[in-house]
Amino acid sequence: GQQLNQSPQSMFIQEGEDVSMNCTSSSIFNTWLWYKQDPGEGPVLLIALYKAGELTSNGRLTAQFGITRKDSFLNISASIPSDVGIYFCAGQNSNSGYALNFGKGTSLLVTP
Amino acid sequence: GAGVSQSPSNKVTEKGKDVELRCDPISGHTALYWYRQSLGQGLEFLIYFQGNSAPDKSGLPSDRFSAERTGGSVSTLTIQRTQQEDSAVYLCASSLGVGAIQYFGAGTRLSVL
Repeated sequence: GQQLNQSPQSMFIQEGEDVSMNCTSSSIFNTWLWYKQDPGEGPVLLIALYKAGELTSNGRLTAQFGITRKDSFLNISASIPSDVGIYFCAGQNSNSGYALNFGKGTSLLVTP
Repeated sequence: GAGVSQSPSNKVTEKGKDVELRCDPISGHTALYWYRQSLGQGLEFLIYFQGNSAPDKSGLPSDRFSAERTGGSVSTLTIQRTQQEDSAVYLCASSLGVGAIQYFGAGTRLSVL
């Protein structure tokens, strides 16, 4: 499958700060998704984006589907300690059975 | 059940042994996916089942890996003659249908000694 380039690899921030991470691909996707994974758990969907240019919010989270369909970003505002975890972007296309292509993840640490 | 259930949660095996990993999808979900997550890596697609259609095996890394889905529900991922590089977390996901949101289980952590 297509490997997505996700950055940064890790972030260490203070509570209350805003966070931004992004994902790029050499090929286009019809759907972009952002997942969060806590230790010992499977990934949990945060936001799904279905249309190029789409900007979607879920509470303190905002994500955008890049206009070229080759990139996406996720912003977290006013971070809190429970935001700690690994965030993954994933791209999806119908021509690959809707299997998800994942980035390598951004590890987020938040200090009180 | 309420979510995707995987068993065992942890499996330690010796090199060369066969292992079976089980996935119980969310009731009513017709699509089922297996992924592998190696240490510090993203998830890598292995195989996909949709209803009664032939599975998409394009992500399986070698012929030592196989999977089946009985009765359109429970799935078993089998790894024959395990190697140390097979050590990883194996995650299962199910969705209501093609293109629908995929819900993940907690995974099986496989350690090959």
